[in-house]
Amino acid sequence: SAVISQKPSRDICQRGTSLTIQCQVDSQVTMMFWYRQQPGQSLTLIATANQGSEATYESGFVIDKFPISRPNLTFSTLTVSNMSPEDSSIYLCSVGAGGAPYEQYFGPGTRLTVT
Amino acid sequence: DAKTTQPNSMESNEEEPVHLPCNHSTISGTDYIHWYRQLPSQGPEYVIHGLTSNVNNRMASLAIAEDRKSSTLILHRATLRDAAVYYCILRGLSSGTYKYIFGTGTRLKVLA
Repeated sequence: SAVISQKPSRDICQRGTSLTIQCQVDSQVTMMFWYRQQPGQSLTLIATANQGSEATYESGFVIDKFPISRPNLTFSTLTVSNMSPEDSSIYLCSVGAGGAPYEQYFGPGTRLTVT
Repeated sequence: DAKTTQPNSMESNEEEPVHLPCNHSTISGTDYIHWYRQLPSQGPEYVIHGLTSNVNNRMASLAIAEDRKSSTLILHRATLRDAAVYYCILRGLSSGTYKYIFGTGTRLKVLA
């Protein structure tokens, strides 16, 4: 298994600003994923972040809005740029367990409120 | 991407078995069926997964229909700590990357 921590755990931000969310894993992993969970909703995959390559974004998500860094095998950041109230969500990172079958471990999430 | 359909909510009495259904009629031959659950204010946690055969682990059992178009998560004796949102997920290979497509989930309420 993998232990994942996220910072901050929650934040309240003003519209038009940006927030960078950090995801730290206690072991080296190849694949990391970022999800968004809007209030009362299920999880939606934002992007897949592999170390050493550009993140791959899902339909509806763009790099200018959600830039991702993956500088090494234990760390990643997601930035929510030029925020609006619609960006108020929980943002979660997860990591792949490796091997087959491919399981994921999730962080506790970052609860973002945009006012 | 293949989708899953689950009931929005279910209730169970404590100590009784719970059967949580999931439909995935467009599943492909290489999609694994995963179940995760999300306790309040936490990230999802792995429960069980399978491909074709029924599976058992310490947390639950997974029954997969012969045509793989549906599956059922079975909690043998529900406890109050099992109250959570249960997600049925298809794990598919897309462009060389495995990724999860979450369904809407079933909110399980366990009654004391």
